[in-house]
Amino acid sequence: ETGVTQSPTHLIKTRGQQVTLRCSSQSGHNTVSWYQQALGQGPQFIFQYYREEENGRGNFPPRFSGLQFPNYSSELNVNALELDDSALYLCASSLWLAGSYEQYFGPGTRLTVT
Amino acid sequence: AQTVTQSQPEMSVQEAETVTLSCTYDTSENNYYLFWYKQPPSRQMILVIRQEAYKQQNATENRFSVNFQKAAKSFSLKISDSQLGDTAMYFCAFMKHDSQGGSEKLVFGKGTKLTVNP
Repeated sequence: ETGVTQSPTHLIKTRGQQVTLRCSSQSGHNTVSWYQQALGQGPQFIFQYYREEENGRGNFPPRFSGLQFPNYSSELNVNALELDDSALYLCASSLWLAGSYEQYFGPGTRLTVT
Repeated sequence: AQTVTQSQPEMSVQEAETVTLSCTYDTSENNYYLFWYKQPPSRQMILVIRQEAYKQQNATENRFSVNFQKAAKSFSLKISDSQLGDTAMYFCAFMKHDSQGGSEKLVFGKGTKLTVNP
């Protein structure tokens, strides 16, 4: 069974730039959720994708957007980067199924905005 | 909206001893799930234990057990026989039940930093 993977591991961007983070879900999982974890804080929900459509969104502005592909992998895109976007971005995969609710996390991408 | 509170920012314990991490939550939902996740310095968020709100029996996973008090909205984690590898951030998380069978978002607390001393 393949676990959740994310790329890149680290990333440094300049304010105003755009960034794309990638996530491959665990084998057999069809749902991907993205979280932002600021330093010293718990993760905050950004949005979730199921069957290539956004399925719930947290309190994040529209410059945070995403995609899910037919193979259930996903991208998180952030436009017009701000200094406060510096954080660890976590991807979690799960299986959309009655009674199923566990989310499994990848190792994260550390984004630094200067 | 649901909130999760972890009132202990940091805790320490001696190897082989027992430690309890506290978590309280606020919700108007009746059906939900509660989780404890561990995040070591490697950053990978690892699921430690889960509890379904409809189950009265407290969950147990090897050295990890919970004390779930639904009326008090309390969900503490007990780690027995602490090991050096237990050193990590521990996050309590809440997820409401989706009657359609979908996966809902996790709401996390701010975490407790646990250090196990030799």
